[in-house]
Amino acid sequence: DAGITQSPRYKITETGRQVTLMCHQTWSHSYMFWYRQDLGHGLRLIYYSAAADITDKGEVPDGYVVSRSKTENFPLTLESATRSQTSVYFCASSESGLFANVLTFGAGSRLTVL
Amino acid sequence: DAKTTQPPSMDCAEGRAANLPCNHSTISGNEYVYWYRQIHSQGPQYIIHGLKNNETNEMASLIITEDRKSSTLILPHATLRDTAVYYCIVRRSSGGYQKVTFGTGTKLQVIP
Repeated sequence: DAGITQSPRYKITETGRQVTLMCHQTWSHSYMFWYRQDLGHGLRLIYYSAAADITDKGEVPDGYVVSRSKTENFPLTLESATRSQTSVYFCASSESGLFANVLTFGAGSRLTVL
Repeated sequence: DAKTTQPPSMDCAEGRAANLPCNHSTISGNEYVYWYRQIHSQGPQYIIHGLKNNETNEMASLIITEDRKSSTLILPHATLRDTAVYYCIVRRSSGGYQKVTFGTGTKLQVIP
């Protein structure tokens, strides 16, 4: 199906474990993004990517690693999960040019770190 | 970047028009106004954007004042499914992506 998909939708892990959240889009959009959403903080940008092999930090990048070897995939890795990283994570994508700021979001991945 | 100010919450009767205001008094001439909404537990959804002319699509209308310091998103016939948090964002449309920061938005409650 066309669109943007995130996996897993739900994940429970333990402190110190490595976790990777996957994001896949079928539009060949140039830009991809990772946000986290917590009560009281709204949506906060973690990392974004303008193209394959080009990534940049957002507001809250500490503790996260991203890569983008292919245009359609943008995985987010928590190398050593902490309780403070319990959150809902949203991936998004957008075209380049005039619609670069029109983001399409995935359904979200709810991560719980025990 | 221009900052936006939105009321934290609003109510609207089902079937009536919902008018959601946004102040962006420091907006620059090349900055557009974007609206998104987030229905509970879902990812945000793009609604509409505009520069200075009023815009309409199948979801909503966007009215931007002549001085561009404020705008109003109008949902002409609100339904219960329009209950959501609505975000107003200001960004340039040229020069590629700018880090899109979502504030806390307006929580719209549509009442039966």
